Amino acid sequence: DAGITQSPRYKITETGRQVTLMCHQTWSHSYMFWYRQDLGHGLRLIYYSAAADITDKGEVSDGYVVSRSKTENFPLTLESATRSQTSVYFCASSALEGEVEGYTFGSGTRLTVV
Amino acid sequence: SQKIEQNSEALNIQEGKTATLTCNYTNYSPAYLQWYRQDPGRGPVFLLLIRENEKEKRKERLKVTFDTTLKQSLFHITASQPADSATYLCALDPYNQGGKLIFGQGTELSVKP
Repeated sequence: DAGITQSPRYKITETGRQVTLMCHQTWSHSYMFWYRQDLGHGLRLIYYSAAADITDKGEVSDGYVVSRSKTENFPLTLESATRSQTSVYFCASSALEGEVEGYTFGSGTRLTVV
Repeated sequence: SQKIEQNSEALNIQEGKTATLTCNYTNYSPAYLQWYRQDPGRGPVFLLLIRENEKEKRKERLKVTFDTTLKQSLFHITASQPADSATYLCALDPYNQGGKLIFGQGTELSVKP
């Protein structure tokens, strides 16, 4: 089915481990984004990408790494997970700069770091 | 500092009434403003976008206003239904930010039958 898919849906990992969250979209949207959502902070931008091989940091990028070798995939890696990275992570995509149709979000990955 | 503020308290209204949610911002000059709906355990869903040169936008029972002088957007749901119960997020797309949206924390709306 067309859409934006995140995996896994739920993940528990230990402090210090590397973990990768996957995001795949089927529209060939140029722009893709990673946000985290925490109580009291709302949605905060981690990284974004304007096209394949073009990425840039957002507000809370420390401890995270992204890549975008293909337009449809935008994985987010936590290099060494910390408890403060326990959160719900959302991937989003947009055809233009969010102008015409807004962002389309995935269903999220709930990550718990123990 | 730059800030987006939405009603922090939940809004409770009776079915059939009009719900009005507020989004205020400071120190931004947004090209446009967007509203999203988020249900528990789900990702936000795009509802409406309004540009800086537009005063009002409508879509079915939804209406958004945008006052760049007051730095405020109002989001109205007319003839509200219990199915409208959700959290509503406003988001700004400031000029020259490459389409990176900045979100408010959201207002939880509860529509009682």
